[in-house]
Amino acid sequence: KAGVTQTPRYLIKTRGQQVTLSCSPISGHRSVSWYQQTPGQGLQFLFEYFSETQRNKGNFPGRFSGRQFSNSRSEMNVSTLELGDSALYLCASSLAHEPYNEQFFGPGTRLTVL
Amino acid sequence: DAKTTQPNSMESNEEEPVHLPCNHSTISGTDYIHWYRQLPSQGPEYVIHGLTSNVNNRMASLAIAEDRKSSTLILHRATLRDAAVYYCILNTGNQFYFGTGTSLTVIP
Repeated sequence: KAGVTQTPRYLIKTRGQQVTLSCSPISGHRSVSWYQQTPGQGLQFLFEYFSETQRNKGNFPGRFSGRQFSNSRSEMNVSTLELGDSALYLCASSLAHEPYNEQFFGPGTRLTVL
Repeated sequence: DAKTTQPNSMESNEEEPVHLPCNHSTISGTDYIHWYRQLPSQGPEYVIHGLTSNVNNRMASLAIAEDRKSSTLILHRATLRDAAVYYCILNTGNQFYFGTGTSLTVIP
Protein backbone atom coordinates (compact mmCIF):
# COMPACT_ATOMS: atom_id res chain seq x y z
CA LYS A 1 0.00 0.00 0.00
CA ALA A 2 1.47 3.36 -0.99
CA GLY A 3 2.07 5.82 1.84
CA VAL A 4 1.11 9.44 2.13
CA THR A 5 2.68 11.51 -0.60
CA GLN A 6 3.29 15.24 -0.56
CA THR A 7 4.26 17.49 -3.41
CA PRO A 8 6.41 19.35 -3.89
CA ARG A 9 9.07 18.20 -1.44
CA TYR A 10 10.93 21.51 -1.50
CA LEU A 11 9.76 24.99 -2.35
CA ILE A 12 11.34 28.43 -2.29
CA LYS A 13 9.13 31.52 -2.40
CA THR A 14 9.50 35.21 -1.64
CA ARG A 15 7.57 37.32 0.84
CA GLY A 16 4.14 38.30 -0.35
CA GLN A 17 3.71 35.36 -2.70
CA GLN A 18 1.22 32.59 -2.19
CA VAL A 19 1.82 28.85 -2.22
CA THR A 20 -0.22 25.67 -2.62
CA LEU A 21 0.91 22.35 -1.17
CA SER A 22 -0.62 19.02 -2.09
CA CYS A 23 -1.21 15.84 -0.12
CA SER A 24 -2.39 12.45 -1.36
CA PRO A 25 -3.57 10.23 1.50
CA ILE A 26 -3.30 6.49 1.75
CA SER A 27 -5.95 4.81 -0.37
CA GLY A 28 -9.17 4.45 1.60
CA HIS A 29 -8.28 7.11 4.16
CA ARG A 30 -10.84 9.86 4.41
CA SER A 31 -9.26 12.18 6.97
CA VAL A 32 -6.33 14.47 6.19
CA SER A 33 -4.60 16.68 8.75
CA TRP A 34 -1.97 19.34 8.22
CA TYR A 35 0.82 20.39 10.57
CA GLN A 36 3.53 23.02 10.58
CA GLN A 37 6.91 22.15 12.09
CA THR A 38 9.51 24.78 12.97
CA PRO A 39 12.53 24.61 15.27
CA GLY A 40 11.07 27.27 17.54
CA GLN A 41 7.42 26.20 17.78
CA GLY A 42 7.68 22.48 17.16
CA LEU A 43 4.80 20.61 15.56
CA GLN A 44 1.61 22.66 15.39
CA PHE A 45 -1.77 21.51 14.17
CA LEU A 46 -3.17 23.52 11.27
CA PHE A 47 -6.44 21.84 10.31
CA GLU A 48 -8.16 18.56 9.60
CA TYR A 49 -10.46 17.64 6.74
CA PHE A 50 -12.83 14.72 6.65
CA SER A 51 -15.22 14.01 3.79
CA GLU A 52 -14.40 17.37 2.17
CA THR A 53 -15.32 19.30 5.33
CA GLN A 54 -12.99 21.06 7.70
CA ARG A 55 -13.58 19.40 11.08
CA ASN A 56 -10.88 20.98 13.22
CA LYS A 57 -8.76 24.10 12.97
CA GLY A 58 -5.67 25.12 14.88
CA ASN A 59 -4.67 28.60 15.92
CA PHE A 60 -3.34 29.99 12.65
CA PRO A 61 -4.26 33.19 10.80
CA GLY A 62 -6.71 33.17 7.92
CA ARG A 63 -3.81 33.27 5.45
CA PHE A 64 -3.64 29.52 5.97
CA SER A 65 -6.44 27.65 4.29
CA GLY A 66 -7.10 24.24 2.90
CA ARG A 67 -9.54 22.04 1.11
CA GLN A 68 -10.22 18.42 0.44
CA PHE A 69 -11.46 16.89 -2.76
CA SER A 70 -13.91 14.07 -3.28
CA ASN A 71 -11.02 11.60 -3.73
CA SER A 72 -9.71 12.67 -0.28
CA ARG A 73 -6.68 14.44 -1.73
CA SER A 74 -6.04 17.68 0.07
CA GLU A 75 -4.36 20.99 -0.62
CA MET A 76 -3.30 23.73 1.72
CA ASN A 77 -2.73 27.30 0.67
CA VAL A 78 -0.75 30.05 2.32
CA SER A 79 -1.31 33.55 0.98
CA THR A 80 0.84 36.64 1.48
CA LEU A 81 3.82 34.63 2.65
CA GLU A 82 5.89 35.91 5.56
CA LEU A 83 9.42 34.95 6.55
CA GLY A 84 8.02 33.13 9.58
CA ASP A 85 6.10 30.76 7.34
CA SER A 86 9.34 28.98 6.52
CA ALA A 87 8.78 25.52 7.89
CA LEU A 88 8.27 21.86 7.19
CA TYR A 89 4.62 21.26 6.37
CA LEU A 90 3.45 17.77 7.17
CA CYS A 91 0.32 16.04 6.03
CA ALA A 92 -1.15 13.01 7.78
CA SER A 93 -3.99 10.74 6.80
CA SER A 94 -6.19 8.43 8.82
CA LEU A 95 -9.09 6.15 8.08
CA ALA A 96 -11.75 8.28 9.72
CA HIS A 97 -12.43 11.13 12.09
CA GLU A 98 -12.05 9.20 15.32
CA PRO A 99 -9.71 9.81 18.28
CA TYR A 100 -8.40 6.25 18.20
CA ASN A 101 -7.34 6.34 14.57
CA GLU A 102 -3.66 6.10 13.78
CA GLN A 103 -2.32 8.94 11.68
CA PHE A 104 0.13 8.21 8.87
CA PHE A 105 2.47 11.07 8.07
CA GLY A 106 4.00 12.01 4.77
CA PRO A 107 7.61 13.15 4.34
CA GLY A 108 6.63 16.80 4.33
CA THR A 109 7.14 19.83 2.12
CA ARG A 110 10.03 22.07 3.10
CA LEU A 111 8.98 25.69 2.41
CA THR A 112 11.56 28.44 2.48
CA VAL A 113 10.38 32.04 2.30
CA LEU A 114 13.01 34.60 1.29
CA ASP B 1 -5.94 22.55 24.00
CA ALA B 2 -5.13 19.20 25.55
CA LYS B 3 -1.62 19.50 26.96
CA THR B 4 1.09 17.00 27.74
CA THR B 5 4.36 17.40 29.62
CA GLN B 6 7.43 15.32 28.87
CA PRO B 7 11.11 15.53 29.82
CA ASN B 8 13.15 17.24 27.14
CA SER B 9 15.69 14.45 26.82
CA MET B 10 16.59 11.01 28.07
CA GLU B 11 19.42 8.56 27.54
CA SER B 12 19.45 4.81 27.49
CA ASN B 13 22.02 2.13 26.95
CA GLU B 14 21.50 -0.14 23.99
CA GLU B 15 19.46 -3.28 24.74
CA GLU B 16 18.22 -1.85 28.04
CA PRO B 17 14.55 -1.04 28.69
CA VAL B 18 13.48 2.59 28.41
CA HIS B 19 10.58 4.21 30.26
CA LEU B 20 9.42 7.50 28.75
CA PRO B 21 7.03 9.38 31.05
CA CYS B 22 4.24 11.77 30.13
CA ASN B 23 1.95 13.87 32.30
CA HIS B 24 -1.49 14.86 31.03
CA SER B 25 -3.37 16.09 34.06
CA THR B 26 -6.05 17.87 31.98
CA ILE B 27 -7.08 14.72 30.12
CA SER B 28 -10.79 14.29 29.54
CA GLY B 29 -12.75 11.07 29.50
CA THR B 30 -12.83 10.85 25.72
CA ASP B 31 -9.16 11.65 25.06
CA TYR B 32 -7.07 8.85 23.66
CA ILE B 33 -3.37 8.80 24.54
CA HIS B 34 -1.17 8.44 21.47
CA TRP B 35 2.58 8.09 21.17
CA TYR B 36 4.46 8.94 18.02
CA ARG B 37 8.14 9.21 17.29
CA GLN B 38 10.05 11.24 14.77
CA LEU B 39 13.37 10.17 13.38
CA PRO B 40 15.66 12.81 11.87
CA SER B 41 14.44 14.12 8.51
CA GLN B 42 11.24 12.05 8.62
CA GLY B 43 7.61 12.63 9.46
CA PRO B 44 6.32 11.29 12.77
CA GLU B 45 5.40 7.62 12.92
CA TYR B 46 2.84 5.90 15.08
CA VAL B 47 4.07 3.92 18.06
CA ILE B 48 1.07 3.02 20.20
CA HIS B 49 -2.18 4.37 21.63
CA GLY B 50 -4.63 3.59 24.40
CA LEU B 51 -7.61 4.86 26.35
CA THR B 52 -7.67 3.30 29.81
CA SER B 53 -6.02 -0.10 29.80
CA ASN B 54 -2.36 -0.89 29.28
CA VAL B 55 -1.52 -1.77 25.69
CA ASN B 56 1.17 -3.82 24.02
CA ASN B 57 2.27 -4.06 20.42
CA ARG B 58 5.34 -5.18 18.55
CA MET B 59 7.05 -1.84 19.04
CA ALA B 60 6.32 -0.95 22.65
CA SER B 61 4.05 -1.07 25.67
CA LEU B 62 1.90 1.71 27.05
CA ALA B 63 1.20 1.87 30.75
CA ILE B 64 -1.65 4.21 31.72
CA ALA B 65 -2.15 5.38 35.28
CA GLU B 66 -5.44 4.51 36.92
CA ASP B 67 -6.50 8.18 37.05
CA ARG B 68 -5.26 8.62 33.45
CA LYS B 69 -3.32 11.73 34.38
CA SER B 70 -0.04 10.16 33.31
CA SER B 71 1.28 7.43 31.08
CA THR B 72 4.58 5.72 30.31
CA LEU B 73 5.87 4.43 27.01
CA ILE B 74 8.06 1.39 27.49
CA LEU B 75 10.59 0.27 24.93
CA HIS B 76 11.62 -3.16 26.10
CA ARG B 77 15.08 -3.25 24.53
CA ALA B 78 16.37 -0.01 23.11
CA THR B 79 18.26 -0.21 19.84
CA LEU B 80 20.20 2.48 18.02
CA ARG B 81 17.28 2.76 15.59
CA ASP B 82 15.05 3.87 18.47
CA ALA B 83 16.94 7.15 18.80
CA ALA B 84 14.26 9.73 18.00
CA VAL B 85 12.00 12.38 19.47
CA TYR B 86 9.02 10.74 21.17
CA TYR B 87 5.75 12.64 21.40
CA CYS B 88 2.92 11.96 23.81
CA ILE B 89 -0.36 13.31 22.43
CA LEU B 90 -3.93 13.53 23.63
CA ASN B 91 -6.37 13.04 20.79
CA THR B 92 -9.96 14.19 20.85
CA GLY B 93 -11.76 13.88 17.56
CA ASN B 94 -8.64 13.38 15.49
CA GLN B 95 -7.08 16.66 16.58
CA PHE B 96 -3.46 16.19 17.59
CA TYR B 97 -1.62 18.69 19.75
CA PHE B 98 2.05 17.80 19.93
CA GLY B 99 4.11 18.84 22.93
CA THR B 100 7.85 19.39 22.80
CA GLY B 101 8.55 15.66 23.01
CA THR B 102 11.42 13.71 24.57
CA SER B 103 14.62 13.33 22.60
CA LEU B 104 15.88 9.80 23.25
CA THR B 105 19.59 9.09 22.88
CA VAL B 106 20.63 5.44 22.75
CA ILE B 107 24.19 4.78 23.82
CA PRO B 108 25.96 1.82 22.18
